[in-house]
Amino acid sequence: GNSVTQMEGPVTLSEEAFLTINCTYTATGYPSLFWYVQYPGEGLQLLLKATKADDKGSNKGFEATYRKETTSFHLEKGSVQVSDSAVYFCALSDKGSSNTGKLIFGQGTTLQVKP
Amino acid sequence: DSGVTQTPKHLITATGQRVTLRCSPRSGDLSVYWYQQSLDQGLQFLIQYYNGEERAKGNILERFSAQQFPDLHSELNLSSLELGDSALYFCASSISGDTDTQYFGPGTRLTVL
Repeated sequence: GNSVTQMEGPVTLSEEAFLTINCTYTATGYPSLFWYVQYPGEGLQLLLKATKADDKGSNKGFEATYRKETTSFHLEKGSVQVSDSAVYFCALSDKGSSNTGKLIFGQGTTLQVKP
Repeated sequence: DSGVTQTPKHLITATGQRVTLRCSPRSGDLSVYWYQQSLDQGLQFLIQYYNGEERAKGNILERFSAQQFPDLHSELNLSSLELGDSALYFCASSISGDTDTQYFGPGTRLTVL
């Protein structure tokens, strides 16, 4: 079945460092891909999305490109801030045969940014 | 604020009991999804409703059930609770039932003692 694999955390960076969180997926068809962020004690917030191959999603300095040839959707940010400390989830929409948009999530990657 | 509301925020109960979690979707959204977040299983899809009808089912236990009402709010019923049911339960909504962006509520934290 469809699945998402994220790099294991925690990832600890200094402020202004470059961030990459790897995400690869296995899917039939052409799923949409998402990054969600969960701040401590809160729900999930959509960070960015891409709906087809070579699309680049971007928001708040974060970017991810839908790479069908490598089945990847890696999250990047050029300069992280302490406020970016959170858990990041990669997800795909599993449309399948039942016309559903249910999300399949990776295991989450905890990012800690130190001043 | 995503526009999705969930009540209660916290719920503490005992094994064997039954609880109901409530979700109100964003205005205009027809589809509601329920997810469970636990330390060992991560984020798992439970069930989806679209305009009052069940659309898809995930790894939802038989002790759990859900429904979506005519005003589009949804309830997740958990019965014969076990310690392992302790988790964060999220509701999400989207405009339609397929690959639209889902917006998540703040979650209900269930603790079973």
